[in-house]
Amino acid sequence: NAGVTQTPKFRVLKTGQSMTLLCAQDMNHEYMYWYRQDPGMGLRLIHYSVGEGTTAKGEVPDGYNVSRLKKQNFLLGLESAAPSQTSVYFCASSPFRGRPKSSYEQYFGPGTRLTVT
Amino acid sequence: GQQVMQIPQYQHVQEGEDFTTYCNSSTTLSNIQWYKQRPGGHPVFLIQLVKSGEVKKQKRLTFQFGEAKKNSSLHITATQTTDVGTYFCAGSGGYQKVTFGTGTKLQVIP
Repeated sequence: NAGVTQTPKFRVLKTGQSMTLLCAQDMNHEYMYWYRQDPGMGLRLIHYSVGEGTTAKGEVPDGYNVSRLKKQNFLLGLESAAPSQTSVYFCASSPFRGRPKSSYEQYFGPGTRLTVT
Repeated sequence: GQQVMQIPQYQHVQEGEDFTTYCNSSTTLSNIQWYKQRPGGHPVFLIQLVKSGEVKKQKRLTFQFGEAKKNSSLHITATQTTDVGTYFCAGSGGYQKVTFGTGTKLQVIP
């Protein structure tokens, strides 16, 4: 089991360029998330998905789009990168466990360090 | 929206000293999780608390969930250098979306 993998690990973009970050999980998890992590600000949720074909906005969705065409993959797109999007991006997945043993633990990928110049 | 604050932001301790980080939510939580992130690494799930007043232990780590389910704490007894990292709490109001706290960065001086 690879768990949660992310590609690429590092990327440098110029302002205005576009790119897609790929997240893949092999744990058959229903839920997937994209976070960004900036110094002193913890983890902020960008978008999330509660199942194949569904996505929802998180706390900081502007400037990003996502797609979940397959259960195991969750893509994060930047259409026109800006310096404010320089950050470390983490993908996470979570299993669905209904009551009475509801569980929300998330499993994180290794992250993508993105710099926008 | 839901906000989750953690204090302190940073903590330096001498190896062997105890350490505590506190997590406070602006709203009542359905559950709370704790994660540890080593320098340069990714967050790793430690534990989840669900019940009001719940206390759980993992070796030298003690986790508590407040009676009102709006706050939580993580206490480490006799810190070791392997405890270095940032500790995050993450709260959920009952749905799968969670809000992470700002984190407490722990430095242990040998």
